[in-house]
Amino acid sequence: EPEVTQTPSHQVTQMGQEVILRCVPISNHLYFYWYRQILGQKVEFLVSFYNNEISEKSEIFDDQFSVERPDGSNFTLKIRSTKLEDSAMYFCASSARTGNNSPLHFGNGTRLTVT
Amino acid sequence: GESVGLHLPTLSVQEGDNSIINCAYSNSASDYFIWYKQESGKGPQFIIDIRSNMDKRQGQRVTVLLNKTVKHLSLQIAATQPGDSAVYFCVIRMNTGFQKLVFGTGTRLLVSP
Repeated sequence: EPEVTQTPSHQVTQMGQEVILRCVPISNHLYFYWYRQILGQKVEFLVSFYNNEISEKSEIFDDQFSVERPDGSNFTLKIRSTKLEDSAMYFCASSARTGNNSPLHFGNGTRLTVT
Repeated sequence: GESVGLHLPTLSVQEGDNSIINCAYSNSASDYFIWYKQESGKGPQFIIDIRSNMDKRQGQRVTVLLNKTVKHLSLQIAATQPGDSAVYFCVIRMNTGFQKLVFGTGTRLLVSP
């Protein structure tokens, strides 16, 4: 079964550094998403992306965050200047369509630790 | 705003028993409800979904019930197996046209042999 793959599985970075989290969505999917989960808390929506632009973003997704689909297969999340509170699991997801009967498929996440 | 909460943080059952995981939500405008399962070290995995114009949907060993009157959603797992041990999330989709999902806090299901 096709999968969403994320790299790296664990990223450690120093506060103030830039970090790029990478994702390869399922190949025929058109909609892409980032969610995050701070340890012990809920999974939270960050951003959705379609047709090479952001379709919706949450309040968490401020100017320090950006997303890009640099080629036909990768989808990246960049955090420009990491803060301690950015430490979390970051999940990439994709869906074939938006709407019912098109569930999101999640990757296994990248654990980001900011020291 | 919207909120989704589960009734129990942990549910312990014996292998072979039926499990029922409950969830309450606050946003009556939600049109689509989903259950996800998360095993340790993995991302959320889709289990089953239900639209707001339905009150019951069945899958393989799982049934989702929706009561819009009291804003309550439940997941029933028949003949629970040790492999069902995971955190189960009740999730609602906001009517934004895109898949902005609001996750509940999760119930950890522990299945003992």
